[in-house]
Amino acid sequence: NAGVTQTPKFQVLKTGQSMTLQCAQDMNHNSMYWYRQDPGMGLRLIYYSASEGTTDKGEVPNGYNVSRLNKREFSLRLESAAPSQTSVYFCASDIRRTNTEAFFGQGTRLTVV
Amino acid sequence: KQEVTQIPAALSVPEGENLVLNCSFTDSAIYNLQWFRQDPGKGLTSLLLIQSSQREQTSGRLNASLDKSSGRSTLYIAASQPGDSATYLCAVRGTGANNLFFGTGTRLTVIP
Repeated sequence: NAGVTQTPKFQVLKTGQSMTLQCAQDMNHNSMYWYRQDPGMGLRLIYYSASEGTTDKGEVPNGYNVSRLNKREFSLRLESAAPSQTSVYFCASDIRRTNTEAFFGQGTRLTVV
Repeated sequence: KQEVTQIPAALSVPEGENLVLNCSFTDSAIYNLQWFRQDPGKGLTSLLLIQSSQREQTSGRLNASLDKSSGRSTLYIAASQPGDSATYLCAVRGTGANNLFFGTGTRLTVIP
């Protein structure tokens, strides 16, 4: 009954360091998403993957890259972290990106110092 | 671009009171609207999903309505409990987009 699992839950990086946030879902969903949540703002889409083998930019993609490793896994990479990337990151998935319910992971709280 | 607004930003009520949370959106071309609950430091838990063809959905003490033409949704919580204290987020999926557009949420506190 795992749903959407994200690792790690917390991370502190120094400016310029790189890291990869991992996300896996066990619901056989086709579409997966990465959002970031900042104080006073709604969640904003970074990247999404409509199906295995495809990825597309969202509203705030600069400074990030993604990989849809297989149907279950969708990772988010920060190549050179900046303080502006301090945020809470959420992974989500759904069966398809039109009229179905979206499920979210527990989030990764990232601080860049 | 779809804009989603939630009013009020914060709400404090005594236990047992019925309450309504509001959500408005600017573009009525949507597939669905979803209400989530977020506890401090936690992820988003889906509460209710309303398809664009539906007027309302109910789950236990929760009832969500949708008026697509006017760009509004409400989440009604009956007989509120301290355990209902959380932030409630509204999100819409537009027909021209690949993702959910979120409001900034209403932070609800239910006082015992």
